[in-house]
Amino acid sequence: KQEVTQIPAALSVPEGENLVLNCSFTDSAIYNLQWFRQDPGKGLTSLLLIQSSQREQTSGRLNASLDKSSGRSTLYIAASQPGDSATYLCAVGETSGSRLTFGEGTQLTVNP
Amino acid sequence: GAVVSQHPSRVICKSGTSVKIECRSLDFQATTMFWYRQFPKQSLMLMATSNEGSKATYEQGVEKDKFLINHASLTLSTLTVTSAHPEDSSFYICSARDSAGGLETQYFGPGTRLLVL
Repeated sequence: KQEVTQIPAALSVPEGENLVLNCSFTDSAIYNLQWFRQDPGKGLTSLLLIQSSQREQTSGRLNASLDKSSGRSTLYIAASQPGDSATYLCAVGETSGSRLTFGEGTQLTVNP
Repeated sequence: GAVVSQHPSRVICKSGTSVKIECRSLDFQATTMFWYRQFPKQSLMLMATSNEGSKATYEQGVEKDKFLINHASLTLSTLTVTSAHPEDSSFYICSARDSAGGLETQYFGPGTRLLVL
C-alpha cells in the first residue's frame, strides 16, 4: 500500500526566503506526482504535475523535482511571499488516471 | 484549465437526515470521478471511485449503503450521505478525470463543508 509522507508538517519563514518542501513515497512504481495548494476551508489548486519519466517541472517561482528511484520529490519556492501561505499537498498517482494518494501536507506561513 | 463545481458549498443538517452533494465537470466529460473526505488538519482520504454508467468502487472501510454514489451522466456525479450523524461532519471534495488528448489529469472541485448537528 502506497504511503506518502511530507516533511515538515509546518513551516514559518520570513518573506523573501527560498524554501523547500519535502515529499516521500514508499512505492516507487508511480505514474505521476502532483503538488497542490490548499487555502483554509477551500478546495485544491494544482501547482505542478510531474510524469514519472520527468525529473522536474517549473512554474514561475515554483520548481518541483522528482527522484522516483529514491521515492522523493521536493517543491522549491523562490522568494516567498505572504500570499504563498497555505497548506501544500503532495499526491502520487500509481496508474494512468487512477486515484491519488495524498500526504498530510505542509502548512506554510510566510511572515511579512 | 478545466473547471469542476460542487453544490452546495456548505450544508448544515440535523442528525438522521440525508444530504446530497453534486459534482459537475463544466467544460469536459468525465467518465471517472473521485470522492474524497478531509477531516480537520488531516489530508484527503479517497472514499470511492465513481464510474459513469456503472457502480462505484468503494475504499475499504467506507460503507456503500451510507454513502450512495450515482454517476448518471458524463458531467455529473452525486454523493448522498444517508442518515447523517455528527461523525460524518467533514469536508467532502470531488475530482473529475479529464482523459482528452491522452493526458490523464484530475481536476478538483472547491469542496462541500458538511456539518451535522
